[in-house]
Amino acid sequence: ETGVTQSPTHLIKTRGQQVTLRCSSQSGHNTVSWYQQALGQGPQFIFQYYREEENGRGNFPPRFSGLQFPNYSSELNVNALELDDSALYLCASSLGGTSGRGEQYFGPGTRLTVT
Amino acid sequence: RKEVEQDPGPFNVPEGATVAFNCTYSNSASQSFFWYRQDCRKEPKLLMSVYSSGNEDGRFTAQLNRASQYISLLIRDSKLSDSATYLCVVNPAQAAGNKLTFGGGTRVLVKP
Repeated sequence: ETGVTQSPTHLIKTRGQQVTLRCSSQSGHNTVSWYQQALGQGPQFIFQYYREEENGRGNFPPRFSGLQFPNYSSELNVNALELDDSALYLCASSLGGTSGRGEQYFGPGTRLTVT
Repeated sequence: RKEVEQDPGPFNVPEGATVAFNCTYSNSASQSFFWYRQDCRKEPKLLMSVYSSGNEDGRFTAQLNRASQYISLLIRDSKLSDSATYLCVVNPAQAAGNKLTFGGGTRVLVKP
């Protein structure tokens, strides 16, 4: 086990609603990255938080936002949900900065279904 | 062109056989490379890092060819439990942070 936890495990929302997903990083890790994985595809980078600040963002609209807390846990918020937001949302924990080669360790994911 | 490309497969492999597959990446400045394994409806799990000199971990061997910009994974003596999707992952050179770029995955099915 990686020690990375995510909640909730599954979620069903209606189009237009808002959702908050949560992630607790592995002990000793200061960086959390979020990924979206649609069925049959590889994970796509959403954004990364390093020491409570956004440290890079992928090609996702502003309605995807997040934050990181002093204990390095993190939240992903998605506003105005669309049907295409249905996916597995993965949180990955790592030691950022110049440490390590960039290995990231994933939580079990939150499966979001938008109807 | 996708940043990281993989043959989606599936590769149907008899138990005990050897299977190998590649992935190509477009960013020549990429610094770190990994193979992750993903079981159906589960999270990706780090299988191994890929080093310039090539590296081996038990039945798994990874190679990096920077000149041709591809990474390979070879699995020897395949086990039924090796059935999974193998994700090629690249850490592109960035000023800060470790943002991973994933390929679409190669599906491997090991059959008795």
